[in-house]
Amino acid sequence: EAQVTQNPRYLITVTGKKLTVTCSQNMNHEYMSWYRQDPGLGLRQIYYSMNVEVTDKGDVPEGYKVSRKEKRNFPLILESPSPNQTSLYFCASSPKGQGVLPDTQYFGPGTRLTVL
Amino acid sequence: AQKITQTQPGMFVQEKEAVTLDCTYDTSDQSYGLFWYKQPSSGEMIFLIYQGSYDEQNATEGRYSLNFQKARKSANLVISASQLGDSAMYFCAMRVFWTNAGKSTFGDGTTLTVKP
Repeated sequence: EAQVTQNPRYLITVTGKKLTVTCSQNMNHEYMSWYRQDPGLGLRQIYYSMNVEVTDKGDVPEGYKVSRKEKRNFPLILESPSPNQTSLYFCASSPKGQGVLPDTQYFGPGTRLTVL
Repeated sequence: AQKITQTQPGMFVQEKEAVTLDCTYDTSDQSYGLFWYKQPSSGEMIFLIYQGSYDEQNATEGRYSLNFQKARKSANLVISASQLGDSAMYFCAMRVFWTNAGKSTFGDGTTLTVKP
């Protein structure tokens, strides 16, 4: 089954304790992204990757790191989490667009993170 | 820079009636895609419909149609014959292609409630 998986789905941690949220897709997609969703603010892009070893900042990258060493995996790293990073996080992937237009994104189930 | 505006934080519709959710966008790129996603209370993101900037006809997918008015930079979602299961948050999103293919911008969403 074609899917994007995220782990863990729920995480409660404390300020300053490094954590990693994993994201994996089995569709051989080139593009992958991380988003955070906060009440009333929609989805905001944290980082995205257009291929292996190619990543770029989105709108809210502060406090986050990513890496893309393999095409299927795109982990999100919080080296020193703070309470303002409490949020719902989504990973998404998409293929290269057809012709000149972008293709749709496939979303993971989300990771609900609480930082105390 | 890209921007998506959804001006209706909440909408109500009677079951079996049609409803329009508004979305306006701003971009200087010529090649872009517009997307609508549904997020039910369970939290997952579900792709609904896509419109490419060069598409001359409005996109349709079952009960969903996208009213695309390029000159006005609007991409409204029309849901016909609303069902109770349509109650959810709806997000409009945009991706451009040539200048920054990985970048994605979402609106703040509209919460739709379908009344029996």
